[in-house]
Amino acid sequence: AQSVTQLGSHVSVSEGALVLLRCNYSSSVPPYLFWYVQYPNQGLQLLLKYTSAATLVKGINGFEAEFKKSETSFHLTKPSAHMSDAAEYFCAVSRLGNTGKLIFGQGTTLQVKP
Amino acid sequence: SQTIHQWPATLVQPVGSPLSLECTVEGTSNPNLYWYRQAAGRGLQLLFYSVGIGQISSEVPQNLSASRPQDRQFILSSKKLLLSDSGFYLCAWSGEGDSPLHFGNGTRLTVT
Repeated sequence: AQSVTQLGSHVSVSEGALVLLRCNYSSSVPPYLFWYVQYPNQGLQLLLKYTSAATLVKGINGFEAEFKKSETSFHLTKPSAHMSDAAEYFCAVSRLGNTGKLIFGQGTTLQVKP
Repeated sequence: SQTIHQWPATLVQPVGSPLSLECTVEGTSNPNLYWYRQAAGRGLQLLFYSVGIGQISSEVPQNLSASRPQDRQFILSSKKLLLSDSGFYLCAWSGEGDSPLHFGNGTRLTVT
């Protein structure tokens, strides 16, 4: 079975500081991995995806994530946080053969302090 | 470009009343369609998915049902709502292959 664990339900950073949101996955086969962002009372927006190509994936809004098979991790980073980055972030792994049937982590709320 | 529409945005319904949430996708044909629910303490959970008209797969046993009467229309229904049906319902679509999931803006359902 596949699963995703996001370490830290709340992360707080200062504006301009590094953002690091942690995600570890469990999968018996090579996974497809995703990061989504959700602003209050809105749907989820895709930030980036890993689908077995380059291990360093660049996404929208300056975010990137690195797939590390040896660590079963897919952490999300951004060099410099903006106030507009405050939102909830979800890591997800897809089930075999269907990138729409996602298993989500519990989410991490990012707070950005001025 | 493809767009997904979901309505209503918010809904307050009494226990025992029926439910109908609608979702439509524009700009693509034969999409895979999904209903997810986001409930407090339970994260995001896949409820139903459909790969074609009239083809519905249920992921979890529950008080809800789904239908796909047209290629780009997906409906979530209930005959009698329970308090536990409260949550944020998200419709989504994906294309073929490793196409990612694209979400609508969601419906906030409160059952009172």
